[in-house]
Amino acid sequence: KQEVTQIPAALSVPEGENLVLNCSFTDSAIYNLQWFRQDPGKGLTSLLLIQSSQREQTSGRLNASLDKSSGRSTLYIAASQPGDSATYLCAVISEKLVFGKGTKLTVNP
Amino acid sequence: NAGVTQTPKFRILKIGQSMTLQCTQDMNHNYMYWYRQDPGMGLKLIYYSVGAGITDKGEVPNGYNVSRSTTEDFPLRLELAAPSQTSVYFCASSYFLQGQPQHFGDGTRLSIL
Repeated sequence: KQEVTQIPAALSVPEGENLVLNCSFTDSAIYNLQWFRQDPGKGLTSLLLIQSSQREQTSGRLNASLDKSSGRSTLYIAASQPGDSATYLCAVISEKLVFGKGTKLTVNP
Repeated sequence: NAGVTQTPKFRILKIGQSMTLQCTQDMNHNYMYWYRQDPGMGLKLIYYSVGAGITDKGEVPNGYNVSRSTTEDFPLRLELAAPSQTSVYFCASSYFLQGQPQHFGDGTRLSIL
């Protein structure tokens, strides 16, 4: 059974800092991996989708990497801003989508 | 672009009542999903559909039913509501499971008292 773990559960950083969020999964037989952002009381917004054959994807200040063999993905956020404060979830897609519990990020002005 | 629309946004039910959570998407997506999100527990898949007329169980289907009569709509039915079904329910859709991002609605916050 696929299990997805996100570390840390919560992270607080000062504005301008570069940061890394981690996601690990137990079964490397995945089709792709997706990173989401969730604001309080809102739904999930897709940030990046990495195909299983890809190593990374970039969008603006965000860069997500995927290492299938080790069962790990990271989301790198450059020059963090208070508006980046949210919960970040990763999900792996094999037969179904399996979510981690998320990392709650707070960027302090 | 409406995307994925869920109604209602909030609802309070009494134990034993029934209700239907509505979900519709205007992106002509084949796949649709229902998740529940409990505090600190992440999202769990309840049911999903790969196209009109086809549905299948997810991880936590007990106490729920779904139907998919059209590509656009994927309602979730709660029969005999129980306190354990208090949660936030999200509907999502995608063209395919693999290689395509999932698009989420804003959720329905349901309390069973």
